[in-house]
Amino acid sequence: DTGVSQDPRHKITKRGQNVTFRCDPISEHNRLYWYRQTLGQGPEFLTYFQNEAQLEKSRLLSDRFSAERPKGSFSTLEIQRTEQGDSAMYLCASRPGQANTGELFFGEGSRLTVL
Amino acid sequence: AQSVSQHNHHVILSEAASLELGCNYSYGGTVNLFWYVQYPGQHLQLLLKYFSGDPLVKGIKGFEAEFIKSKFSFNLRKPSVQWSDTAEYFCAVNQYAGKSTFGDGTTLTVKP
Repeated sequence: DTGVSQDPRHKITKRGQNVTFRCDPISEHNRLYWYRQTLGQGPEFLTYFQNEAQLEKSRLLSDRFSAERPKGSFSTLEIQRTEQGDSAMYLCASRPGQANTGELFFGEGSRLTVL
Repeated sequence: AQSVSQHNHHVILSEAASLELGCNYSYGGTVNLFWYVQYPGQHLQLLLKYFSGDPLVKGIKGFEAEFIKSKFSFNLRKPSVQWSDTAEYFCAVNQYAGKSTFGDGTTLTVKP
């Protein structure tokens, strides 16, 4: 499968613990996006990368959240000191940077449950 | 800031009925517009997109959407829905080659 892959698909953690999600984009895509989705809502933008550069971060991304894409390939999203309000589906998407089309290719998502 | 409004949260139709889902966006400049679909248990995928040219765009599975600039709208239509169209539909706007902003989605249930 050459689509966007995310790991883990499900994560249950206790409040206060740290969690990390990984996203492997489609190999030729140099733009990578993180979104968060809660029940009844559409995907909310968190951050995006062009290659290894983080170009934009949403104000939703508090200082407990950090995202990296160190080699311009896979990306990680870490949440420190998780809170119950962090429970959501975390979506990763990628797209080619050179095409000004904006179409996103999404992964299956990583569902976080904070107890 | 961009925003996207989808008027219908949940639509229930019988097979063969016609479908129209409303979408309005707030940004007045040049935008790219999208409809994404999420079938049960699957990831979000593109249904159709508008960048320029003919404001009536056709997508997969018989869906189409019309961009009306004066109304800031991009409504999704299908003349005759099928049970397999049961899914959640998201409208999105992309102002430049950066982030896309999504609406809250419309859940479509098609009764056989």
